[in-house]
Amino acid sequence: QVQLVQSGSELKKPGASVKVSCTASGYTFTRHALNWVRQAPGQGPEWMGGINTNTGKPTYAQAFTGRFVFSLDTSVTTAYLEISSLEAEDTAVYYCARDQPPYYYYGMDVWGQGTTVTVSS
Amino acid sequence: DIQLTQSPSFLSASVRDRVTITCRASQGISSYLAWYQQKPGKAPKVLIYAASTLQSGVPSRFSGSGSGTEFTLTISSLQPEDFATYYCQQLNSYPRTFGQGTKVEIK
Repeated sequence: QVQLVQSGSELKKPGASVKVSCTASGYTFTRHALNWVRQAPGQGPEWMGGINTNTGKPTYAQAFTGRFVFSLDTSVTTAYLEISSLEAEDTAVYYCARDQPPYYYYGMDVWGQGTTVTVSS
Repeated sequence: DIQLTQSPSFLSASVRDRVTITCRASQGISSYLAWYQQKPGKAPKVLIYAASTLQSGVPSRFSGSGSGTEFTLTISSLQPEDFATYYCQQLNSYPRTFGQGTKVEIK
């Protein structure tokens, strides 16, 4: 079945980096863009941006430029989110989610289970 | 950025009630709107896309309407499993913003 499986929870100190993975299965990876969504504790979801899985071109929301990098390894159908110079405010659950085919404006139909990143000294 | 404002933010209702949630966009987004349901500790789940199209597998008591700047999500007869938080998201332009959410709780 179509699924996205994310890497496990992370506990990091301020200033460190973290790399979250999102592995796709059950569909052709390069046909549908992947999005990254952040949800801080007690808050709503926030769209961070996405990556074209065919070309590798990322798109970032303004609030997520600079310390955030989206990347791919198509050989293992995996997308990555790397956050550098972590701050306490980066503590959140991070989700990957697929653009529903055939059009991006159909919303996000398949979501990973979420990866909790906790930043604490 | 396009802002989405949901109302109400909190809603207390009983089983079998009809519930309506509104999402207003700060500028026109045609029909490029999706609705999601989220339960605690779970990822959001898409219910409606393109403003009014029911996602496959979603019960028909959910419906969506609207275009331009005003949209509604209606649950015709609230069921126990519908108590959750609901979010709208616009897909008209980047960034693909979400509304702040509407929490539906049991009366």
